[in-house]
Amino acid sequence: SQKIEQNSEALNIQEGKTATLTCNYTNYSPAYLQWYRQDPGRGPVFLLLIRENEKEKRKERLKVTFDTTLKQSLFHITASQPADSATYLCALDKAGNMLTFGGGTRLMVKP
Amino acid sequence: GAVVSQHPSRVICKSGTSVKIECRSLDFQATTMFWYRQFPKQSLMLMATSNEGSKATYEQGVEKDKFLINHASLTLSTLTVTSAHPEDSSFYICSAARTASNYGYTFGSGTRLTVV
Repeated sequence: SQKIEQNSEALNIQEGKTATLTCNYTNYSPAYLQWYRQDPGRGPVFLLLIRENEKEKRKERLKVTFDTTLKQSLFHITASQPADSATYLCALDKAGNMLTFGGGTRLMVKP
Repeated sequence: GAVVSQHPSRVICKSGTSVKIECRSLDFQATTMFWYRQFPKQSLMLMATSNEGSKATYEQGVEKDKFLINHASLTLSTLTVTSAHPEDSSFYICSAARTASNYGYTFGSGTRLTVV
């Protein structure tokens, strides 16, 4: 079965710096990979989707890369702000449009 | 944008009682909705896939008689936790996907269930 690994340790960075989060998977390459943000006590919020034939996608201060050879996706937040502090989840599709989630990485941006 | 409304946001119930959680897609039709469960500091675990007009598909290890799912319309799915016990206390989240996959999945705001 697909195993998705995200760094379980919190990532602490200074405001203004670029945050980079990693998502590694172990089995088949999915048709697409998604990144979500989750705040405490709330449901995840969709951020970006990248397809297997795309290497990079951007949205405002966010950038996602997808390397199917390395079986890895990187999620970058440039010019980070304290409001970016949250848990970020990567998710891969399974058959039947189901998603499998990684454990998430908590990001703390300090002012 | 797509909105999924989930109610209630919090519920406390006595052990042995049943609790119903509603999940509605407000501005789009969802033939498929998904129910997740999340324990503190853990990721979302898919419980079941809810299909409009047919039986839900449950993930391995999820008791279908305990977690009843009904998807009677294209905009409403319900999860009923029957004969709840303290170990059922968790954060339950529903989600739905629009047809175009560029939009990702829209999640409800979650329901914090506490069984006492």
